[in-house]
Amino acid sequence: AQSVAQPEDQVNVAEGNPLTVKCTYSVSGNPYLFWYVQYPNRGLQFLLKYITGDNLVKGSYGFEAEFNKSQTSFHLKKPSALVSDSALYFCAVRDITDSWGKFQFGAGTQVVVTP
Amino acid sequence: SQTIHQWPATLVQPVGSPLSLECTVEGTSNPNLYWYRQAAGRGLQLLFYSVGIGQISSEVPQNLSASRPQDRQFILSSKKLLLSDSGFYLCAWSPGFTGANVLTFGAGSRLTVL
Repeated sequence: AQSVAQPEDQVNVAEGNPLTVKCTYSVSGNPYLFWYVQYPNRGLQFLLKYITGDNLVKGSYGFEAEFNKSQTSFHLKKPSALVSDSALYFCAVRDITDSWGKFQFGAGTQVVVTP
Repeated sequence: SQTIHQWPATLVQPVGSPLSLECTVEGTSNPNLYWYRQAAGRGLQLLFYSVGIGQISSEVPQNLSASRPQDRQFILSSKKLLLSDSGFYLCAWSPGFTGANVLTFGAGSRLTVL
């Protein structure tokens, strides 16, 4: 079984400050890891993914995420947050041995960036 | 390029009425298709997924059903809606269940049951 935990319901940050959204995961095998963003009344948009290789993954809109196997974490980061980054962020995991390719999503973290 | 369409975008239905939400994908063949429900603007619950025509797997027993009458068409239905069926329904697709394929979402359908 696979699971994802996003320990923070909400993250508040001032514009221009660094942003971190935390994610930890559990899978029986090796993981594929993903971050998505959702704006109000919209579908989820893909930000970035980790497959293998370099632990630091760069994605859309200046976001990056660091895979840490020993801590089973995949935290999303942005060096300088913008007000437009305010949205709901989801971490997701797939077990690479899962032939059905089902994604397990975290509960989501609301990011609020204040001017 | 591939696109996913989902409709209607908004729906208000009385309790006990039927439901039909439709999702279609363009620009690809034999996609994996998914229906998710998002309640209260937060977590996603996988309702159904399909790896081919007529092949539907249900994740959670409920008042809903899904069908895949064509390769790129996925329909979510109910014969009689309950208040608890209210929510934001998201259709998604992925190229296949091998590899780190990205899940791509539609714009969503907001259902309010009164």
